[in-house]
Amino acid sequence: SQQGEEDPQALSIQEGENATMNCSYKTSINNLQWYRQNSGRGLVHLILIRSNEREKHSGRLRVTLDTSKKSSSLLITASRAADTASYFCAKGNNAGNMLTFGGGTRLMVKP
Amino acid sequence: EPEVTQTPSHQVTQMGQEVILRCVPISNHLYFYWYRQILGQKVEFLVSFYNNEISEKSEIFDDQFSVERPDGSNFTLKIRSTKLEDSAMYFCASSAVDPFYGYTFGSGTRLTVV
Repeated sequence: SQQGEEDPQALSIQEGENATMNCSYKTSINNLQWYRQNSGRGLVHLILIRSNEREKHSGRLRVTLDTSKKSSSLLITASRAADTASYFCAKGNNAGNMLTFGGGTRLMVKP
Repeated sequence: EPEVTQTPSHQVTQMGQEVILRCVPISNHLYFYWYRQILGQKVEFLVSFYNNEISEKSEIFDDQFSVERPDGSNFTLKIRSTKLEDSAMYFCASSAVDPFYGYTFGSGTRLTVV
């Protein structure tokens, strides 16, 4: 089954603009997490949102979760060239033992 | 900030050889994981480890794979007889008492099987 599918697959914006990435999933979740990956590097945890939460903020990041639509979004405000990376959503199962990653959104922020 | 450390960063091995990928999780974390990412594909779960035993594993984690926590700090992934399709980036991760607070991933080991 497909879990944590992001769209768009690629996004190119100008510095200063906002970037919105969406994630959909099919089965129930305990939590949904967003990660960032620079090319060829490791995964950096950005935000975790639990199934009973609707919105969380961290600096320039805002994550929303709509469990009725089985979707989440990651908003990066006032983007910077350094935000260029791939962004993944990952579904946390109820046992908390594993994450199921989506295919990611490749974000390019042009200076 | 505490880090998960993986060594080596890049390993090249002959098909059929055994490899051991090493990880040092964050010291007070109790849950440990291995994930892999084949070039251009999704990050895939391999195995989770808690209280000195495997708590969950994926279909990828067959008899060729094993994990071990040989001492209080290291967490290893062994591939007994590597195949070409094992070439991937392997990520170790750990999480604190409650895994729902998110994982800390290492920077990965790029395994190339030739």
